[in-house]
Amino acid sequence: EAAVTQSPRNKVTVTGGNVTLSCRQTNSHNYMYWYRQDTGHGLRLIHYSYGAGNLQIGDVPDGYKATRTTQEDFFLLLELASPSQTSLYFCASSQGGSTEVFFGKGTRLTVV
Amino acid sequence: GEQVEQRPPHLSVPEGDSAVIICTYTDSATAYFYWYKQEPGAGLQLLMSVFSNVDRKEEQGLTVLLNKKDKQLSLNLTAAHPGDSAVYFCAVSAGGSGNKLIFGTGTLLSVKP
Repeated sequence: EAAVTQSPRNKVTVTGGNVTLSCRQTNSHNYMYWYRQDTGHGLRLIHYSYGAGNLQIGDVPDGYKATRTTQEDFFLLLELASPSQTSLYFCASSQGGSTEVFFGKGTRLTVV
Repeated sequence: GEQVEQRPPHLSVPEGDSAVIICTYTDSATAYFYWYKQEPGAGLQLLMSVFSNVDRKEEQGLTVLLNKKDKQLSLNLTAAHPGDSAVYFCAVSAGGSGNKLIFGTGTLLSVKP
């Protein structure tokens, strides 16, 4: 069973705060993704990566940085968190092409 | 870029009835189509995937129809039961190496006993 683990599962931070969301996959997949889920928008792609050291811009990248340190680990960084970044964040991995995308259980981030 | 509209946003059906969710996409180059189920506190579970050369696919009480002429994708849950209550998302992809998914806005399905 493909595994994508996110931490923390819940996080509250203040406006202007610094937050790092972590994701680890044990699927030996090349691709990893960060999505945010908001009511009325579905899931939207923030950043993705096809390997260690690589970063690709997604559809809603503003205010987010990301870093892929190893094939297994992908981090999402919010350096100056804003209330508009309150959301449910999902990490995912895949082998690319048309192969299945596997999702983590999500991190609920609240910026107050 | 690609846009995906999904309807209805909310759907309530009695147990045993069918439930139909429809997505409309804009890019005729879209090649891959997916339906996901999301239960509270869980990630997204892939229900079914279809390639653009398939018009109809049935698996375990689910039917996916793809109408490429109208750029429409639908999911039919036949004989829904309370365990089917969840949020359902369609997603599409043009394929390519990255397999970036574009999601619909989601449908909250409630199946009442």
